[in-house]
Amino acid sequence: GAGVSQSPSNKVTEKGKDVELRCDPISGHTALYWYRQSLGQGLEFLIYFQGNSAPDKSGLPSDRFSAERTGGSVSTLTIQRTQQEDSAVYLCASSFDPQGEAFFGQGTRLTVV
Amino acid sequence: KQEVTQIPAALSVPEGENLVLNCSFTDSAIYNLQWFRQDPGKGLTSLLLIQSSQREQTSGRLNASLDKSSGRSTLYIAASQPGDSATYLCAVQGAQKLVFGQGTRLTINP
Repeated sequence: GAGVSQSPSNKVTEKGKDVELRCDPISGHTALYWYRQSLGQGLEFLIYFQGNSAPDKSGLPSDRFSAERTGGSVSTLTIQRTQQEDSAVYLCASSFDPQGEAFFGQGTRLTVV
Repeated sequence: KQEVTQIPAALSVPEGENLVLNCSFTDSAIYNLQWFRQDPGKGLTSLLLIQSSQREQTSGRLNASLDKSSGRSTLYIAASQPGDSATYLCAVQGAQKLVFGQGTRLTINP
């Protein structure tokens, strides 16, 4: 595609529900990143994929968070049993390779009520 | 552990001025450094990418420099315009992730 696409753009969910966030990277990009940005805060690294593998899961804040990538393309970030502190904008980025220019999607704004 | 610091945290200048944003990082073992712009409620837009072997990159009114050995980068904006108002983020690319600074919130006053 022309750019990194994320869906949904906005998600409101009740505390305790599970949510899935989707990222479609730029075609041919092997590296994919997930970040979280809480209101007024900087970008918090969550996870990195090279192809379908995630060599660095160090940023996932708890075992309620998981992510997968299939076919070296689409990635989903799943948050189980959502909490109010999970409310944030979740940003996805991709690059041709780990040393290449990173391009970000517009993000998914998650609100847990 | 890589740490990235941006100074100043906020900057307000009148239209037409030239300005410099600063970024410093603690670990010089980087692949590249990237400058982004973020408008309120939006994602990040890539402005400039400097590979570790390069000293600077230019795009229009923007010029970014990199001194890897001293762990510093600057973003120079010439002839600032109100449309340049945004938060500017620098990020360094290590082996497996981009590490971001906290950003500089820039306001250009007409």
